[in-house]
Amino acid sequence: DTAVSQTPKYLVTQMGNDKSIKCEQNLGHDTMYWYKQDSKKFLKIMFSYNNKELIINETVPNRFSPKSPDKAHLNLHINSLELGDSAVYFCASSQASALQETQYFGPGTRLLVL
Amino acid sequence: DAKTTQPTSMDCAEGRAANLPCNHSTISGNEYVYWYRQIHSQGPQYIIHGLKNNETNEMASLIITEDRKSSTLILPHATLRDTAVYYCIVRVIQGAQKLVFGQGTRLTINP
Repeated sequence: DTAVSQTPKYLVTQMGNDKSIKCEQNLGHDTMYWYKQDSKKFLKIMFSYNNKELIINETVPNRFSPKSPDKAHLNLHINSLELGDSAVYFCASSQASALQETQYFGPGTRLLVL
Repeated sequence: DAKTTQPTSMDCAEGRAANLPCNHSTISGNEYVYWYRQIHSQGPQYIIHGLKNNETNEMASLIITEDRKSSTLILPHATLRDTAVYYCIVRVIQGAQKLVFGQGTRLTINP
């Protein structure tokens, strides 16, 4: 049973298109995150939702819009894709109310914008 | 979150102990030391964390100096599957906190 799953695993698309990446966790966690890993392998936080409420919103273009329909899902919609959006996007989840919070990551979605 | 400094890369022979150092001289009293690793093409994986006492779990041991300004992650019997990038992160422990990843240490286990 996969704890944090993402779909699709690979996404190749043309510049200017709109695409979505989905994330689901079956750990019963109350918080979910999106991280971006660029070509230089640096991992950076993008967003975080706690109980469906946006709590972390880093300096990300507003072409990126996260949506959390429920605590177990956090989707990432990207409008007007640009070449620089090519990266690996990781979803993560944690139980923020836990005494010692630990984040669990999904396998990543590899996005290539042509 | 406090800044950490790690060596860019390290090598270790299979079966030997791998000792990965991390400096965090500006760590605050309420910040813990966390270690994650990223095996090629996979998502980061939690390894261990600690405040000031040494910690051990099924994956590794964490040794934190008395002044808390540095720590060492120990993989007691490294295998080829331990080849990965290891990230040392300092952060407060509670609440929905972002993980701030540095460049990490690329550990290569050699047969």
